[in-house]
Amino acid sequence: QSVLTQPPSVSGAPGQRVTISCTGSSSNIGAGFDVHWYQHLPGTAPKLLIYGNNNRPSGVPDRFSGSKSGTSASLAITGLQAEDEADYYCQSYDSSLSGELFGGGTKLTVL
Amino acid sequence: EVLLVESGGGLVQPGGSLRISCAASGFSFSRHAMHWVRQAPGKGLEYLSAINSHGDSTYTANSVKGRFTLSRDNSKNTLYLHMGSLRTEDMAVYYCARDTVGAFDVWGQGTMVTVSS
Repeated sequence: QSVLTQPPSVSGAPGQRVTISCTGSSSNIGAGFDVHWYQHLPGTAPKLLIYGNNNRPSGVPDRFSGSKSGTSASLAITGLQAEDEADYYCQSYDSSLSGELFGGGTKLTVL
Repeated sequence: EVLLVESGGGLVQPGGSLRISCAASGFSFSRHAMHWVRQAPGKGLEYLSAINSHGDSTYTANSVKGRFTLSRDNSKNTLYLHMGSLRTEDMAVYYCARDTVGAFDVWGQGTMVTVSS
């Protein structure tokens, strides 16, 4: 089945570290396709946070990092700040679909 | 400044049609593949469709295949999404996005499509 599974929610206190997982399958992440991560605040345009598994676009703080292993990927956020409270999505290509796929999204709450 | 601006959203009756546009500026539009993504109220991002830089190859997700088609006019730096046989479940904010090495690095602010009688 062509899905990318993310936890619905994660939370952490200011200054803490949180990770958001993205679990795929052999037709997407496991097939070697890149994973990209986006931050989305309601009413705004989504923002690219990580591309190509672990690369940050210019302007994205180094508090954000990405990794990938096997059929899964992770987004880590260190030194949590109130402004990090948003929805986060992973994205990859799926060979069964012959198209792109988003994870279901994870809502990050900064306590 | 690199910009994508969607337009054309609005209220349409179930079964109706609508064309939304995405105007690009500040970059070489004809060099990039482009995508459409939507977000229904209270839901996550849903990938819809892609078109290559030349406009001669497209992909459409199964959820809208046969009802939605996309096109582009590189002379006008504009991307289009033609939506037909609209359903209430198509009600969403529709975003266009620029593709750079497979990631969507520039997004528009979105245009709202409401499907209701």
